[in-house]
Amino acid sequence: DVKVTQSSRYLVKRTGEKVFLECVQDMDHENMFWYRQDPGLGLRLIYFSYDVKMKEKGDIPEGYSVSREKKERFSLILESASTNQTSMYLCASSLWGQGVFNEQFFGPGTRLTVL
Amino acid sequence: TQLLEQSPQFLSIQEGENLTVYCNSSSVFSSLQWYRQEPGEGPVLLVTVVTGGEVKKLKRLTFQFGDARKDSSLHITAAQPGDTGLYLCAGARGGSNYKLTFGKGTLLTVNP
Repeated sequence: DVKVTQSSRYLVKRTGEKVFLECVQDMDHENMFWYRQDPGLGLRLIYFSYDVKMKEKGDIPEGYSVSREKKERFSLILESASTNQTSMYLCASSLWGQGVFNEQFFGPGTRLTVL
Repeated sequence: TQLLEQSPQFLSIQEGENLTVYCNSSSVFSSLQWYRQEPGEGPVLLVTVVTGGEVKKLKRLTFQFGDARKDSSLHITAAQPGDTGLYLCAGARGGSNYKLTFGKGTLLTVNP
């Protein structure tokens, strides 16, 4: 059974704190993604990675960075958390290659509140 | 730019009713996925459609991909409270074998 896990389900941080969100997948997938989900705005892609140490900016990368040191792990970093980063953060993974249908498998999400 | 439009945005129905959710675009997609997301959880993949005109059934759910691969629909027969959730469609564009374009979703509530 495919599995994507996220380090925390709920997180409360203060403005200015550095925040780490961890994601681990056990499917040997090449691609990993970080999204944020807000009411009325849908899922917005923050960053994605298609290989170890490789990353590309998504649609809303400002205020975020990522790290992928191992294939199974993809970390999202908020360098200095702000209240407008309060959101639901979703990690996903998918296979890479011809013939695959880009199906993404999601973790349960981290509900981050920045006070 | 919103490339995938879902309608309706909200839908509240009684148990036993039928419903259809639509996902439309002016762009062609090489494949399209439907996900269901329950409150406080991540989206879960329901189905992938690949061929224009393709119809797939998953128990009481019927998914169709448009002939031109620009739109899709999800039909639920005899809805049950367990069908409650956010339904998301997502399309893959040719030439990009990892990114998906997501619609904003249809929030379905099935009342007992």
